[in-house]
Amino acid sequence: GQQVMQIPQYQHVQEGEDFTTYCNSSTTLSNIQWYKQRPGGHPVFLIQLVKSGEVKKQKRLTFQFGEAKKNSSLHITATQTTDVGTYFCAGPFSGGYNKLIFGAGTRLAVHP
Amino acid sequence: DTAVSQTPKYLVTQMGNDKSIKCEQNLGHDTMYWYKQDSKKFLKIMFSYNNKELIINETVPNRFSPKSPDKAHLNLHINSLELGDSAVYFCASSRYQGLNTEAFFGQGTRLTVV
Repeated sequence: GQQVMQIPQYQHVQEGEDFTTYCNSSTTLSNIQWYKQRPGGHPVFLIQLVKSGEVKKQKRLTFQFGEAKKNSSLHITATQTTDVGTYFCAGPFSGGYNKLIFGAGTRLAVHP
Repeated sequence: DTAVSQTPKYLVTQMGNDKSIKCEQNLGHDTMYWYKQDSKKFLKIMFSYNNKELIINETVPNRFSPKSPDKAHLNLHINSLELGDSAVYFCASSRYQGLNTEAFFGQGTRLTVV
């Protein structure tokens, strides 16, 4: 079945270091969404990418959608302790129904 | 006002009991969902309703029964709880049935079955 894979599973960084998480889909996606879940919290929508090769920035966060619309990445520049959490990518199920297939998430720990 | 609210936040219960989790959204969304998040943080969709109609029913045991009295509410009833049901259950909603829309999640209900 359709899968969305995400790596790495965990990442520990020192505050100030950069961080990247990668997302790969088994199928071409119409769009990809990114969510952040703080420890003990709920997933919160960050961004949606729709166009092939699209790059979007939110302050220190840079999101990319691959040319083939099967992969995506989230890069955080100069991490801060407030970046701690799990980052999920999610793609729509190719069979419709507004169903999102979530990646397994990348858990980011930032050491001060 | 909280956009998607679910109650209770924590639920500790014994095996074999029946319990319900309630969810309400005030965003005017047409579609609501239940997701289960296991201890490894994996998020898996369980059910989806669009305008009170069930549109997604993943391979979930029939001990789990969702009910949508109106499009702003989606409740989850679980019969004969098992240890393996322990997880965080998230309710979510989105704007309309389509492919390009974001999901708004509730705060989650941490269910512990002992």
